[in-house]
Amino acid sequence: GQNIDQPTEMTATEGAIVQINCTYQTSGFNGLFWYQQHAGEAPTFLSYNVLDGLEEKGRFSSFLSRSKGYSYLLLKELQMKDSASYLCAVRDKTGANNLFFGTGTRLTVIP
Amino acid sequence: SAVISQKPSRDICQRGTSLTIQCQVDSQVTMMFWYRQQPGQSLTLIATANQGSEATYESGFVIDKFPISRPNLTFSTLTVSNMSPEDSSIYLCSVEDNRGFEAFFGQGTRLTVV
Repeated sequence: GQNIDQPTEMTATEGAIVQINCTYQTSGFNGLFWYQQHAGEAPTFLSYNVLDGLEEKGRFSSFLSRSKGYSYLLLKELQMKDSASYLCAVRDKTGANNLFFGTGTRLTVIP
Repeated sequence: SAVISQKPSRDICQRGTSLTIQCQVDSQVTMMFWYRQQPGQSLTLIATANQGSEATYESGFVIDKFPISRPNLTFSTLTVSNMSPEDSSIYLCSVEDNRGFEAFFGQGTRLTVV
């Protein structure tokens, strides 16, 4: 099965940097994804890691360590619009290669 | 990317009744996915809808409770049957890109059962 853990809530200041951690346990790891979900809206894709290391995309970066079952999402130069839930998801190739989601981290950006 | 239209966006239903949620995609896709997101919980996969065959249900979900239709490659429905307050949740339709890589989601249907 899958066991995906991430903090429930975080608060950070506008302009600052925040790191959202995610740990996972899965039998058939086939990629880790980060999604952003604003309240009342659909999740939208942010990043993808399948190999160890850092993937950078503008203000957002995502890191993966497969040996540690660990990822983080790094948000730089925080803006008020970054207030949202951030969902860590793991694709498991055991069976149907489905996506399994963590409970999400609700980030609040304050002035 | 894919554009997914899902309706209704929200509904309030009486217990014991059923609600059918529709999902329309702007391109042909092999598989469509239905998720549930209960308050404060993660997205949980209910089933995978394949055109021309029966849906594949995940553990804890059964066809009698969540019947699914997939009449063509751009459309699917999920019915929540004999509803109880525990079914109050957001239901999301999803498709994946051609590589089976990135998932795209509809806006979701916020269901409240009273």
